[in-house]
Amino acid sequence: NAGVTQTPKFRILKIGQSMTLQCTQDMNHNYMYWYRQDPGMGLKLIYYSVGAGITDKGEVPNGYNVSRSTTEDFPLRLELAAPSQTSVYFCASSYGRARGIAGANVLTFGAGSRLTVL
Amino acid sequence: AQSVAQPEDQVNVAEGNPLTVKCTYSVSGNPYLFWYVQYPNRGLQFLLKYITGDNLVKGSYGFEAEFNKSQTSFHLKKPSALVSDSALYFCAVREMRSGGGADGLTFGKGTHLIIQP
Repeated sequence: NAGVTQTPKFRILKIGQSMTLQCTQDMNHNYMYWYRQDPGMGLKLIYYSVGAGITDKGEVPNGYNVSRSTTEDFPLRLELAAPSQTSVYFCASSYGRARGIAGANVLTFGAGSRLTVL
Repeated sequence: AQSVAQPEDQVNVAEGNPLTVKCTYSVSGNPYLFWYVQYPNRGLQFLLKYITGDNLVKGSYGFEAEFNKSQTSFHLKKPSALVSDSALYFCAVREMRSGGGADGLTFGKGTHLIIQP
């Protein structure tokens, strides 16, 4: 199994540009998440989804959008890139409530996408 | 609101010595607690979890963690450190509540564990 696959691994954007970070998982997980990781700040939840067609905001959603048209894919869209969005972005997935609350929180992470906005 | 504190940015341990990475938490009710590890240029990997039951939880790679409700702590431990244990460790918490939900975990800021040969 590939697990959680993120593309691209690295990207440099200019201020105001747009881009989409792709995320796909092949584990048939219901729940998917986007986090950003900044040095010394831990992980912050941007958006999450409990299933196809359902998304919700996390702790730091401003400047981002998501969609979940299929169980496998959960792309993250940056519409107008800003330097504050320079970060490492992680997509993750989990089974969801079918495995109980505990199972919903055992996350499988992708390898990350490092984004720099100049 | 729930929160996690990892008071040490870095922990240095000699290979073969026991290690402890500290974590304290704050939730309104009962907690679910987790430890994740991140190796350089990789995503986080699940190590272990406390849901209920025994306060001492065993996980991957010989790690264990002890849940202490009175001290609201969930310290990560290993009896004998290996150089390969060097990584960034994250403690995470969510409140146990019947409604469940996928609004995810609250992560600590992470602790760099450095095992010296």
